[in-house]
Amino acid sequence: AQTVTQSQPEMSVQEAETVTLSCTYDTSESDYYLFWYKQPPSRQMILVIRQEAYKQQNATENRFSVNFQKAAKSFSLKISDSQLGDAAMYFCAYRSAFMGNQFYFGTGTSLTVIP
Amino acid sequence: SQTIHQWPATLVQPVGSPLSLECTVEGTSNPNLYWYRQAAGRGLQLLFYSVGIGQISSEVPQNLSASRPQDRQFILSSKKLLLSDSGFYLCAWRGQSGDNSPLHFGNGTRLTVT
Repeated sequence: AQTVTQSQPEMSVQEAETVTLSCTYDTSESDYYLFWYKQPPSRQMILVIRQEAYKQQNATENRFSVNFQKAAKSFSLKISDSQLGDAAMYFCAYRSAFMGNQFYFGTGTSLTVIP
Repeated sequence: SQTIHQWPATLVQPVGSPLSLECTVEGTSNPNLYWYRQAAGRGLQLLFYSVGIGQISSEVPQNLSASRPQDRQFILSSKKLLLSDSGFYLCAWRGQSGDNSPLHFGNGTRLTVT
């Protein structure tokens, strides 16, 4: 199984500020997909953003963007202009392009937004 | 549009009792289906996935089993629950087509084994 590591169990950010959540993964494959999911207190898992490994351009979705460093096997999530509704657990996930049925998740980062 | 239904939302069961959690997907055909477990304060552990009717792959050996009796129905079962089976169970689906298609999750079932 692939290993996805989120080294920050908890993070906090002031409202309207920017925060970056870290994610690294271990793989020997060249083609794969990476995802960030948000889990608010309701525990509904919500897709935030996705990135294809073959794309050099970093994905962006409104206030959310990623810094994808393929050689370093790093996939960090940047949240700009943080809002109170961004408070949640954030999970990084990996899926192989070749053995593509399994999604592997990190242990999550709990983000607190301070008003 | 596609929707996923998972029930029950909450379940309290005694040790040694059976378990049946059900998940159905609407609005799509032949989805890949998944069962994940999320223990308190931990990430998501893949338990089972299925690429078609009757096709089940198990990721973790345990006293749980899964079945897919219909194309869009996925059931998680146990004959005898253990205390360690407590957790939050999530069903998810993914379309067969689309390389970067993500997982879409149900609302989850909180299982407490007493």
